Amino acid sequence: LAKTTQPISMDSYEGQEVNITCSHNNIATNDYITWYQQFPSQGPRFIIQGYKTKVTNEVASLFIPADRKSSTLSLPRVSLSDTAVYYCLVVLNNNDMRFGAGTRLTVKP
Amino acid sequence: DAMVIQNPRYQVTQFGKPVTLSCSQTLNHNVMYWYQQKSSQAPKLLFHYYDKDFNNEADTPDNFQSRRPNTSFCFLDIRSPGLGDAAMYLCATKAGTRTEKLFFGSGTQLSVL
Repeated sequence: LAKTTQPISMDSYEGQEVNITCSHNNIATNDYITWYQQFPSQGPRFIIQGYKTKVTNEVASLFIPADRKSSTLSLPRVSLSDTAVYYCLVVLNNNDMRFGAGTRLTVKP
Repeated sequence: DAMVIQNPRYQVTQFGKPVTLSCSQTLNHNVMYWYQQKSSQAPKLLFHYYDKDFNNEADTPDNFQSRRPNTSFCFLDIRSPGLGDAAMYLCATKAGTRTEKLFFGSGTQLSVL
């Protein structure tokens, strides 16, 4: 099972771009990288998923280098409402959806 | 419209008294999950169903059981809750093995007195 490592916490200010990097050194060929966002007292919410290179949607971008041993979630121009915990998942068995420790992002005014 | 519904939102039980948490979904997804999340921790996978196939995590205590009578409903039974079982319990669904997108309910916050 591909283990993920993320920073425990990050601080940012409103309007800044935030990049959260996840390490997954033993990612397998068929594994996808998925990111979730969780607000207090709510279930996690899917943000973005990728396999390689770059993926962008209306919420975030995901950058994955060629060796796929890490990935970076990029949040453009964060606001206070982006304060949340962000989880990186590398899914081995398609149904084996386990969460790592996550990164607690605090956006300050 | 809520797609994964968990009831109740808050549940209080007594030490050792069996409790059942429920989850229903309108997405017709064939995979359903139960997670336990304690304060300031990541969600911990307890078990999941792929259709009627039950998959238990190796470290899930025997005190936790689950039932899935049909596609729409899944239940978490805690046979003898201890103080350490107080947590948020999250239900999630997924549309099969070819996606990694989970849909979560709002969770049930369980207190054990």
